Amino acid sequence: AQSVTQLGSHVSVSEGALVLLRCNYSSSVPPYLFWYVQYPNQGLQLLLKYTSAATLVKGINGFEAEFKKSETSFHLTKPSAHMSDAAEYFCAVSEGSGTYKYIFGTGTRLKVLA
Amino acid sequence: DAGVIQSPRHEVTEMGQEVTLRCKPISGHDYLFWYRQTMMRGLELLIYFNNNVPIDDSGMPEDRFSAKMPNASFSTLKIQPSEPRDSAVYFCASRTQHRDMNTEAFFGQGTRLTVV
Repeated sequence: AQSVTQLGSHVSVSEGALVLLRCNYSSSVPPYLFWYVQYPNQGLQLLLKYTSAATLVKGINGFEAEFKKSETSFHLTKPSAHMSDAAEYFCAVSEGSGTYKYIFGTGTRLKVLA
Repeated sequence: DAGVIQSPRHEVTEMGQEVTLRCKPISGHDYLFWYRQTMMRGLELLIYFNNNVPIDDSGMPEDRFSAKMPNASFSTLKIQPSEPRDSAVYFCASRTQHRDMNTEAFFGQGTRLTVV
């Protein structure tokens, strides 16, 4: 079965600093990977998704993620944090074999310090 | 499109009462998912449907939980009887079927359930 692991349930960065949120996946088949963001009292919103067309994926709000098969990773980055980036971020893998369901990581809460 | 619509947004009920959560998926989407979010367990998949048919309900915690999808535009998640440990935020999500399985799921705003 596929799974994702997010290292660090809480991450704090200063405004303007690099944001790095880690996600590692486990999969015996090519994975379909996603990053979602959740703002307080809101549903989940897609940030970006991995397609096999490119290993570096650009998403909304200046975020990007790089798929590294050798490291089974799909870390999320943003060069310069903004106060509005404070939220919870979830990495997810979509199972193959036609099941179409998502498995989510446990989430990382990002805090941005002024 | 208005997106995935869930109702109610908030529900407070007494232990033992029946609770029904509702979801309207995005028109044209073939898959519908019910998730539960808690601090302790994160996002858990409860059940999902394909073309109104339940495909995998292995995440439904107990027989007190049931879900239906009578048509392509409506689904319910029912808890009977409710217990305080059912308190959580329940999300509904939908996605379209595509031969490229890299389609994303769209989430509703969630229903915050409090059982007292």
